[in-house]
Amino acid sequence: EVQLVESGGGLVQPGGSLRLSCKASGFTFSAYWMNWVRQVPGKGLEWVSRIRNDGTKTFYADSVKGRFTISRDNAKNMMYLQMNGLRVEDTAVYHCAKSDHFDPWGQGTLVTVSS
Amino acid sequence: QSALTQPPSASGSPGQSVTISCTGTRSDVGYSKFVSWYQHHPGKVPKLMVYEDDKRPLGVPDRFSGSKSGNTASLTVSGLQAEDEADYYCSSYTDSGTFVFGIGTRVTVL
Repeated sequence: EVQLVESGGGLVQPGGSLRLSCKASGFTFSAYWMNWVRQVPGKGLEWVSRIRNDGTKTFYADSVKGRFTISRDNAKNMMYLQMNGLRVEDTAVYHCAKSDHFDPWGQGTLVTVSS
Repeated sequence: QSALTQPPSASGSPGQSVTISCTGTRSDVGYSKFVSWYQHHPGKVPKLMVYEDDKRPLGVPDRFSGSKSGNTASLTVSGLQAEDEADYYCSSYTDSGTFVFGIGTRVTVL
């Protein structure tokens, strides 16, 4: 069974940093592009970033470009999202999702940016 | 990267059909055969219902169908059932190598 488990969320002040992790199991992690998607509670979905299966290409939403960095460790079946310069508007539940079909999604980890 | 346009709400009685539109531009919806649709029940994670414009993943009922014409994609839910009441989001690959989601449509079964 494919499983994605996110961790690393929490409360951080504006301007602060957090590193999110996504642990994958149940599939050949190194064969798939992976994505991060976020949802502000009660609001819609926003695509954040994607990374090629070998980690050599990355893409970002304009809203996070220059502040967030996506990476992966295929030996550990892990994907990461380093978030720097956090803003109040980055407050959301962050989900990792397998492949460019976003199937399936992890349960998500809540990031709250507040002073 | 503007969000794709979806109607905020749609509704139908059990057994009826409802169609949700998803309008973008030639740089996203109209760019390639890569529009997906997701069903999202509150408190759960989004579930893929349609991918690559009109394909259904294994296990998704054939009551759900996708189509596309130009810069507008559509999801039709036929034979509405109570459990179909949820939020539905479209997403599209773009010519910049990024993705964009629609604003979401709340489907109500009357």
